[in-house]
Parts: sequence; structure tokens; C-alpha cells
Amino acid sequence: RKEVEQDPGPFNVPEGATVAFNCTYSNSASQSFFWYRQDCRKEPKLLMSVYSSGNEDGRFTAQLNRASQYISLLIRDSKLSDSATYLCVVTPTSGTYKYIFGTGTRLKVLA
Amino acid sequence: NAGVTQTPKFRVLKTGQSMTLLCAQDMNHEYMYWYRQDPGMGLRLIHYSVGEGTTAKGEVPDGYNVSRLKKQNFLLGLESAAPSQTSVYFCASSLDSSGRPDRSDTQYFGPGTRLTVL
Repeated sequence: RKEVEQDPGPFNVPEGATVAFNCTYSNSASQSFFWYRQDCRKEPKLLMSVYSSGNEDGRFTAQLNRASQYISLLIRDSKLSDSATYLCVVTPTSGTYKYIFGTGTRLKVLA
Repeated sequence: NAGVTQTPKFRVLKTGQSMTLLCAQDMNHEYMYWYRQDPGMGLRLIHYSVGEGTTAKGEVPDGYNVSRLKKQNFLLGLESAAPSQTSVYFCASSLDSSGRPDRSDTQYFGPGTRLTVL
């Protein structure tokens, strides 16, 4: 089993739709969680950290479910500019350099 | 601030040639990293550094060497390039690896180098 697993997609959604992605992780001791966004042929950029209580940043909401070992990303009112690949990142222990990346979920927002 | 920069952006090598990729950051970060990204695989850590003069192996270090002689620079070397090293290489840096809520361990990435080995 991979340490971090994501559905590769693509998720094709119309503008204005709500879309959600999940990411599962295998190490129950994992400490920190992030969502990064990667545009085609560009570098990954931090979208948001994921906190235990869940957090929201504008149209984006991230949740952590430790019992089931997954994190989620919800995007409301999708924009064309949201089209990208969303990478799930997990750190296995607190205070570690080590990022474990998922392979990404590709989102296409259609006009 | 330029953030994290990488040179070159593109490179084509023949098998057996050598080259050095340069990463520079102007954020006074302690930690720096080299990753490779291949289709269908997540980013994989090649080598990393926790401070000037230090380096350590990551997940896939074979065939690569690194040096961090200055805090702001992290060099990745390929001694004898092989077709299996065809990839996109990303450098990243972070202030530290504390895991604190202020997210000072956030990694910031450079624009990448696309390397093809024929």
C-alpha cells in the first residue's frame, strides 16, 4: 500500500460546481498535512495546511479525519482558474523535514 | 524577493555526461531539498540539507551528489547521466522543520529543471 494515495482523476466539473477530493495515508502517526496545487509544467505551490479542527480559506475547505486516516479538500463555486493538479502531502512525524507526496488529483473546470 | 530559483530551466544530456543544477534561495531558509518528479509518481526526495555545509540522502540518492557550501545555494550534480534520470527536478526550501503551528516548515519550490538524457 502506498503511503499517500489519491484518485488521479481527472475530475471534470462545470464552473460554479462544488468538488471534493480525498487523500488517504497509511501511517497513523502522521503529524502534518498539506494541500499543494500544481499547474501544468509548473512547481507545486502551497494551497493550505490542514489542521485537526479543519480550516477554510475562501472557497477552499480542508478537513482531517484521523480515525479513517484521510484528508479532504472541498472547492466551492469552482472557477476555470482552479484547473490544476492538487497534491496531498503528509509528514510522518512532527518536526521532520520529510514530505510524502501523493501523485495528485487532476481537476478540470469546464466553461 | 525572488524566492527559490533554479538554473538551467531545460537541459538535454547524452548518456555519460555530467552536469550541475543550481538552486538559490533568498529567504534565509535553513533547509533545502532536491526532488524529482516522474509521471505517475509523487515527488521523491533525492537529497536534502539542514544547514550550510550539511547534506543527507533522501529516498532516491543513487547517481546524484549535492553540496551546500553557502546557505543560499544547493547544488545537485549528476556524475554520469543515465536515461533513467530523465525527469523534472525541483528544488525547495523551508525555514526549518519544526512542525509548529506557524507552519515555518512549509516548503517553497523553485520553477523546476526539465532534464532529458538521451
